[in-house]
Amino acid sequence: DAGITQSPRYKITETGRQVTLMCHQTWSHSYMFWYRQDLGHGLRLIYYSAAADITDKGEVPDGYVVSRSKTENFPLTLESATRSQTSVYFCASSGTGRRYEQYFGPGTRLTVT
Amino acid sequence: EDQVTQSPEALRLQEGESSSLNCSYTVSGLRGLFWYRQDPGKGPEFLFTLYSAGEEKEKERLKATLTKKESFLHITAPKPEDSATYLCAVQARNNFNKFYFGSGTKLNVKP
Repeated sequence: DAGITQSPRYKITETGRQVTLMCHQTWSHSYMFWYRQDLGHGLRLIYYSAAADITDKGEVPDGYVVSRSKTENFPLTLESATRSQTSVYFCASSGTGRRYEQYFGPGTRLTVT
Repeated sequence: EDQVTQSPEALRLQEGESSSLNCSYTVSGLRGLFWYRQDPGKGPEFLFTLYSAGEEKEKERLKATLTKKESFLHITAPKPEDSATYLCAVQARNNFNKFYFGSGTKLNVKP
């Protein structure tokens, strides 16, 4: 089924380990985004991408790395996970033109022990 | 600084009891205001986009309105299945690659 998918849906990792969260969309949307959602903070933008090979920082980029070699994929890597990165991570995408609304994936719940 | 504030944080309604959720925003030139619904354990689901003051959008029991400083999400005769967290987001004209989300209103509709 077309849409935006994330994997894994749940992940437990240890402090200091590298972990990669995957995001895939089938709409050929130009823009893709990574957010984290924490109680008391709402959704905060980590990184976004306007097209393949074009990425930029959002509000909370420290400790995260992104890449976008293909339009449909936008992986998020935590280079050395910390407990403060325990969160729910959402990937989103949006098209161009007048309609800029973002469409979200189901989320990845990450726990760093 | 671009900012979005939603109120109330939580709202409990009886089935059929209409009410409104508020989203106040400050942004340097609004490109669009967006409403989302989020169910527990799921990603936000897009509901509406509003672009200019005076604009209204409707979908079933939901109606979104926009002024120059705030937006309202009116819920008419809600049902228990309307229970969810409703999120508001704004997109600035000079920084349109970024969305600024409010913290949401958690709506609970009792049968």
